[in-house]
Amino acid sequence: QKEVEQNSGPLSVPEGAIASLNCTYSDRGSQSFFWYRQYSGKSPELIMFIYSNGDKEDGRFTAQLNKASQYVSLLIRDSQPSDSATYLCAVNKGGFKTIFGAGTRLFVKA
Amino acid sequence: DVKVTQSSRYLVKRTGEKVFLECVQDMDHENMFWYRQDPGLGLRLIYFSYDVKMKEKGDIPEGYSVSREKKERFSLILESASTNQTSMYLCASSPPGTGRYEQYFGPGTRLTVT
Repeated sequence: QKEVEQNSGPLSVPEGAIASLNCTYSDRGSQSFFWYRQYSGKSPELIMFIYSNGDKEDGRFTAQLNKASQYVSLLIRDSQPSDSATYLCAVNKGGFKTIFGAGTRLFVKA
Repeated sequence: DVKVTQSSRYLVKRTGEKVFLECVQDMDHENMFWYRQDPGLGLRLIYFSYDVKMKEKGDIPEGYSVSREKKERFSLILESASTNQTSMYLCASSPPGTGRYEQYFGPGTRLTVT
């Protein structure tokens, strides 16, 4: 079992819809959770982080964390073609090492 | 804004050459990291450093070494480049402070070893 698992996609949604990206992790001691966006040929860019159970909203993005079920999700409202990218989920257990998922490719159709 | 820069965007080297990849951050971050990213394998940690002259091996340190002589600069060294080290290399830095584990990435260096 991978430490951080994501569906590789591609996830295809129409413009204006809500895109829902999911991630599960195996270590119950995980404390910090991150979402990165990576455009093709570019480096990952931090878009959200969440430390506590519940929802955290930032503009069109909402991160959701459920530690009991060991999953974290990212919702993108009013999806735009410019949101088309690979989204990496990352998990930290409290030390220097962060584990990255392999990413979910999102395609937003105009 | 955090700025992490890497010395080259694209690099082509020959098998057996010694290769230096440099990374500089301007936010006084204590923690710095080197990853490689390959299709289907995701991001894999090579080395990290939590202070000047301090370093720790990551998951795939074989064939690599690092140097951190100044806080802002973290170098990755391929001692004798091989074709299986062809990859995208990403440097990242992370701020100090308990609970601050978010990482900020440089633009990456795409290295090809022929």
